[in-house]
Order: sequence, then structure tokens, then C-alpha cells
Amino acid sequence: GDSVTQTEGPVTVSESESLIINCTYSATSIAYPNLFWYVRYPGEGLQLLLKVITAGQKGSSRGFEATYNKETTSFHLQKASVQESDSAVYYCALGDRDTNAYKVIFGKGTHLHVLP
Amino acid sequence: DMKVTQMPRYLIKRMGENVLLECGQDMSHETMYWYRQDPGLGLQLIYISYDVDSNSEGDIPKGYRVSRKKREHFSLILDSAKTNQTSVYFCASSPGPPSAETLYFGSGTRLTVL
Repeated sequence: GDSVTQTEGPVTVSESESLIINCTYSATSIAYPNLFWYVRYPGEGLQLLLKVITAGQKGSSRGFEATYNKETTSFHLQKASVQESDSAVYYCALGDRDTNAYKVIFGKGTHLHVLP
Repeated sequence: DMKVTQMPRYLIKRMGENVLLECGQDMSHETMYWYRQDPGLGLQLIYISYDVDSNSEGDIPKGYRVSRKKREHFSLILDSAKTNQTSVYFCASSPGPPSAETLYFGSGTRLTVL
């Protein structure tokens, strides 16, 4: 079945350091699923950070970037210089069409701590 | 203000009791979802609702049922709760049928079944 594997947390970095959270996926129904990064800040629900629906394209938001790489089936999240306010849980997800319906499959989440 | 609201935020119940989790959205979204998340696992889909009285099982529907009588409300019911239903439950909505659309999530309900 479909699956999403992302960096095991927690990940701790200092403010202004660079960040990469790895995400690889396996989609069984369609060749090019839709790919998402969601973020959950403390006390809040998940919210969309960025999404890319075309292979080879890059999405960006709030200084974060992720490129849809169909060759390596990866969608790694990167930021050049993190801030303390980026401390949150980050979820990689894919959207795939099963036999009956479209599904969104989430990774386990990566807890990011940014030290001041 | 686009919002998905879940009530309550925290809930403690005893095994065998009935549990009602409520979710509301103010965006007139067609589709609504219930997920649960356990430590070390991703979000798992319990039920999906495509509109009023049009509900489908997700990946882990056993032990749960849902009700959607108005487009803006989607309830999750646990009849005779079990300890393995202790989890964090998230409600979400999306504008139309599931596709590449963004999901909008509530803040979650942390349910403990003793």
C-alpha cells in the first residue's frame, strides 16, 4: 500500500542553522501522487505548509522549500536558516487515488526543536 | 475566519462509556474527515464524509461511527469505549471531493479511556 517515511524525530537545531527533513514515498495507484508538507504548531491543528502536484516542481512557503523528485520518490523539506518560531511537528503526506477514492496518507511527523 | 473547531479539547472516559466528539467548520466545505494519531504512527483515517448523510469508512473504522446531519457538523461516536481508543483525534475538512485540495484541521481532542 501507499506509505510515507520521514526523518525520525526529534530534530534539534540552533537558530539560523540550516534544516533538512527527509521524506520518501511509495504510491501504488498512480505514478505521480500529490505531495504535501503540513505543520502543527503547539496547541494548534495541522495546517498546510506547501504542496506540489507536478513532478519536478518546487513548492515554497515561509522560507521552506521542497522539490518533487519522481526519480528518487522524495520530497525533502529544507530551510536555509531556521527560527525559534519554526519549532513544530512537520508531516509529509501524499495524495493518491485508490480503487474507490482519493486518500491522503501521512507520515509519522518530525518534531523540530529550534534552540535560541 | 476559516476555522475547524473541535470539542472538547481533552476528555477522560471509563471503558464502556459512550463518547461523542464534535467537529464544526464555518467554510461550507463539502468533505469532512476524522483521523486519529497514536505515538509513533502517522494520522490514520477513521471516516470520511462527502456531504450530509454520505459517509464512508476509512482505514480503521472498527469501533467508531459518525453522523453528519448538517454540512457544517461532523460527529464521531464511540459506543462503549475501549482503552485502545485512547488517542488524539483530529477532524478536518476540504472544499470539495478529495483531490489535491488542502485539508483544514481542528486542534485535536485528546481522549483518554481508563
